[in-house]
Amino acid sequence: KAGVTQTPRYLIKTRGQQVTLSCSPISGHRSVSWYQQTPGQGLQFLFEYFSETQRNKGNFPGRFSGRQFSNSRSEMNVSTLELGDSALYLCASSSLGRRDRVYHEQFFGPGTRLTVL
Amino acid sequence: AQSVTQLDSQVPVFEEAPVELRCNYSSSVSVYLFWYVQYPNQGLQLLLKYLSGSTLVKGINGFEAEFNKSQTSFHLRKPSVHISDTAEYFCAVKKSSGDKLTFGTGTRLAVRP
Repeated sequence: KAGVTQTPRYLIKTRGQQVTLSCSPISGHRSVSWYQQTPGQGLQFLFEYFSETQRNKGNFPGRFSGRQFSNSRSEMNVSTLELGDSALYLCASSSLGRRDRVYHEQFFGPGTRLTVL
Repeated sequence: AQSVTQLDSQVPVFEEAPVELRCNYSSSVSVYLFWYVQYPNQGLQLLLKYLSGSTLVKGINGFEAEFNKSQTSFHLRKPSVHISDTAEYFCAVKKSSGDKLTFGTGTRLAVRP
């Protein structure tokens, strides 16, 4: 099975622009989560999608948004970029069901490194 | 809410020496515990996890960790490290299968020849 893929791997933008990052989960996985990784704040949860619905959201401003398509692929968008948005954005997928109590491992992609100048 | 503290930001160690990376957590409910490894320019890879049962869990690449509920710790150990173990290691918790992962700040393991 192919792993989680993220595109692009590297991106350079300037302040004020917007950016869209893409994540393709492992085949059959319906849950996709996004995390931001920075040297100062570490790894922080952005949001989780399941069956095209946002199920969980972290503490980020409204400039950060996401969506999930019917094929489980997910995108996240950051509008009005700020220098502090420079980070590695990681996507993770799992076969987690709606609200089951069984553990499902999250598999991480290689990330998209965003640099804001 | 859960939180994770990794007490050491960097751990230098010589090749073939033992190593312990420390992790303490805080939670008012039962949690699942994880250790992930991140190599340069890569995503996170799961090393091992504690869900329930035996408090000593074994993972990939010769790593193991022990869950200590009374001390709220989940320290990672390896009896003999290799140069290839040089990476960043993250401890994480989640309170249920449907919840988000909360990560520690990471420990950079630097293995020297």
